Amino acid sequence: GAVVSQHPSRVICKSGTSVKIECRSLDFQATTMFWYRQFPKKSLMLMATSNEGSKATYEQGVEKDKFLINHASLTLSTLTVTSAHPEDSSFYICSARRFVYNEQFFGPGTRLTVL
Amino acid sequence: KQEVTQIPAALSVPEGENLVLNCSFTDSAIYNLQWFRQDPGKGLTSLLLIQSSQREQTSGRLNASLDKSSGRSTLYIAASQPGDSATYLCAVGPQSTSGTYKYIFGTGTRLKVLA
Repeated sequence: GAVVSQHPSRVICKSGTSVKIECRSLDFQATTMFWYRQFPKKSLMLMATSNEGSKATYEQGVEKDKFLINHASLTLSTLTVTSAHPEDSSFYICSARRFVYNEQFFGPGTRLTVL
Repeated sequence: KQEVTQIPAALSVPEGENLVLNCSFTDSAIYNLQWFRQDPGKGLTSLLLIQSSQREQTSGRLNASLDKSSGRSTLYIAASQPGDSATYLCAVGPQSTSGTYKYIFGTGTRLKVLA
């Protein structure tokens, strides 16, 4: 089956630093990847859609300068949280859509804690 | 704008009971619907995917049905076990002319199966 990995699984950083989260499709090519954020005891909120080789499309209310997304290859997308603050602490989950198919495969998530 | 609601928000049942989780959506023009399971602090595990042309899907003790016209899906869990305790999320993939196929998640049902 299709596997999506995320790295790191957990990260703790100081306020003001930048954190990069990687999302990889391990055994398939993903033309489109999605980044979600989940607050405690809440559902997943889509942050942005990234297409390989083009700029990401951000959902309304998501700061594109705060959450930088790069989809440099068909198997890798990265989310960089710039100048992180405690309110950015959250569970970030990526998903990848396999080319031609309409099913999304989700990564295991990254727990970000900003002190 | 598509909105996805899940009822009940929380459910506690004794082991062995059959149970039904509900998911409703406001726009029937969907591409597919997917049910996920999420354990505390973990990522998503895909349970069942129903294409818009399908009425139901089955996997082991799980059965998911889809009624697009009424905007409803149900997840039926037979002979529940304590290991089924988790949050169950449904996600709707709306039709998209841009081809992004982004999912909109429901609010989730927190299930606890008592031994």
